[in-house]
Amino acid sequence: AQKITQTQPGMFVQEKEAVTLDCTYDTSDQSYGLFWYKQPSSGEMIFLIYQGSYDEQNATEGRYSLNFQKARKSANLVISASQLGDSAMYFCAMREDLYNQGGKLIFGQGTELSVKP
Amino acid sequence: DVKVTQSSRYLVKRTGEKVFLECVQDMDHENMFWYRQDPGLGLRLIYFSYDVKMKEKGDIPEGYSVSREKKERFSLILESASTNQTSMYLCASSFDGWAEGKVNEKLFFGSGTQLSVL
Repeated sequence: AQKITQTQPGMFVQEKEAVTLDCTYDTSDQSYGLFWYKQPSSGEMIFLIYQGSYDEQNATEGRYSLNFQKARKSANLVISASQLGDSAMYFCAMREDLYNQGGKLIFGQGTELSVKP
Repeated sequence: DVKVTQSSRYLVKRTGEKVFLECVQDMDHENMFWYRQDPGLGLRLIYFSYDVKMKEKGDIPEGYSVSREKKERFSLILESASTNQTSMYLCASSFDGWAEGKVNEKLFFGSGTQLSVL
């Protein structure tokens, strides 16, 4: 069964507008962490934001925020004021069993975001 | 600057060959990972290691093995390469801060190896 699901293979957004990239996850663990990574066309993987399952507030990092809805098991990435440089592939990832050694990080299928001028 | 180095950017091999992909990190990280990336499938975990000589299977270990004899080096081995193993292979490492309650440690990735099996 897919543990991380990103249902939007591709999305378009107008420059300066906000965009939400969807991510749902499946776990029976109580302690887990959710990550978002960006992969531009250059291929490098860039860490964007992290949300822990016990964190009471939604994570924010600059123009990135994570809309964490625990009961719905969703961790959507919100990018405000999109810029042309935001065009990239975006991956959601999860680490289960957070407080034990050696947790593996599982990724979703990715969403390709294109920002239009 | 922290660094994860993969030995080759592009590699072309023949079906049936034994293939070694090497990854070295200079950050003294405990965790190391091998993923393969395919369009539409995202990154899929092949194997990971949380300590020297320790290895754990990921979601798609079939046809692969790994070796971690030293902390800084994690090797992925394709025992008998097949065409369906043509892919981009990404190595990553991370600090394992679980004992210190640091659980948000991000992955550092190498630049990838594009492997073509003909």
